[in-house]
Amino acid sequence: RKEVEQDPGPFNVPEGATVAFNCTYSNSASQSFFWYRQDCRKEPKLLMSVYSSGNEDGRFTAQLNRASQYISLLIRDSKLSDSATYLCVVNRFGGAAGNKLTFGGGTRVLVKP
Amino acid sequence: DTEVTQTPKHLVMGMTNKKSLKCEQHMGHRAMYWYKQKAKKPPELMFVYSYEKLSINESVPSRFSPECPNSSLLNLHLHALQPEDSALYLCASSPMFSLADSYEQYFGPGTRLTVT
Repeated sequence: RKEVEQDPGPFNVPEGATVAFNCTYSNSASQSFFWYRQDCRKEPKLLMSVYSSGNEDGRFTAQLNRASQYISLLIRDSKLSDSATYLCVVNRFGGAAGNKLTFGGGTRVLVKP
Repeated sequence: DTEVTQTPKHLVMGMTNKKSLKCEQHMGHRAMYWYKQKAKKPPELMFVYSYEKLSINESVPSRFSPECPNSSLLNLHLHALQPEDSALYLCASSPMFSLADSYEQYFGPGTRLTVT
């Protein structure tokens, strides 16, 4: 079983619609969680950190469920520019060794007019 | 400023060449990372440096040799690579300590490497 699993998609989303997708992680010792977006042939860019209480940044809402070990991302009022691959990322703090991120395989979102 | 810079953007090298990839950040981060990313796959961690010392080597072949000359710079020296080493090489940095307990990593734009 992969440490971080995501539905690869693609999620075909009409412009203006809402889309949500999840990510599950297997290591209960995981300490921090992120969503990154990656455009084709570009580097991953941090979208948002995910906190236990849930957090919102504009049209994006992230939730963390530690008991069930999943993270979710919801995008409201989808824009064409939201088309990207969304990477679920889990961090195990390595202390003085630094932090070790584990990436999910990514969920591809295509927003269409 | 959350910028990590990498040079070169593109690199084509033969299997007998020696080349180096460079990465720089000025965010005061004391942890720096090298990742390898193949097409349609997520990034895979190669090395972690913390406080300029190599702390994690994910069993990377010795033809990849990292170096951290100071807290802002990270190099990846390449020698005798194979065609299957062609990939996007990403550098990232993060703080070692975070009040929010979050430790976000910030990525550079990557070097697209082709080994012929």
